[in-house]
Amino acid sequence: EPEVTQTPSHQVTQMGQEVILRCVPISNHLYFYWYRQILGQKVEFLVSFYNNEISEKSEIFDDQFSVERPDGSNFTLKIRSTKLEDSAMYFCASSVLGLTRGGDPYNEQFFGPGTRLTVL
Amino acid sequence: GENVEQHPSTLSVQEGDSAVIKCTYSDSASNYFPWYKQELGKRPQLIIDIRSNVGEKKDQRIAVTLNKTAKHFSLHITETQPEDSAVYFCAAPQNFVFGPGTRLSVLP
Repeated sequence: EPEVTQTPSHQVTQMGQEVILRCVPISNHLYFYWYRQILGQKVEFLVSFYNNEISEKSEIFDDQFSVERPDGSNFTLKIRSTKLEDSAMYFCASSVLGLTRGGDPYNEQFFGPGTRLTVL
Repeated sequence: GENVEQHPSTLSVQEGDSAVIKCTYSDSASNYFPWYKQELGKRPQLIIDIRSNVGEKKDQRIAVTLNKTAKHFSLHITETQPEDSAVYFCAAPQNFVFGPGTRLSVLP
């Protein structure tokens, strides 16, 4: 069964450094998402992406964050200047159809295994 | 914005007993309601979902019931087993909001 994959599984970085988290969504999926989960807390939405552009983003997704689909398979999340509070598990997800606000058809999201980001 | 709450936050049951977790949401336009199971250090995995045109859905030992008028839906696990121990999240995914989670412990 196809799965979403993420690399690396664990990333340790110094505060102020840039990090890029990588995801390979399921191949026939069109919608991609990033979530984060601070240890012991709930899953929080960051951004959704479709047709090479951001379709939705949360308040967490500020100017320090960016997403990109650099080729036909990878989907990346970049944090330009990491802060201590960026330490969390970052999950990528994908779906065939879209999650959109306000009642459009929903399709199941498949989550990747996550990247644990530790900012020192 | 959407507000999603879960009760209880922790739940301990004896193996073989039933467990029920309730989720409330605020946006009456929501029409899709999933439950995810997350084991320690792993990804959230969809275990059951329901759409607003039905009131109940069952898959073996797991069921979800929906009360759209009251804006809540519940996860029911029967004949619990130790491997059911995990954190369970409900979500209102059309608003990208997850609930705070319920930690279920099944005691042997």
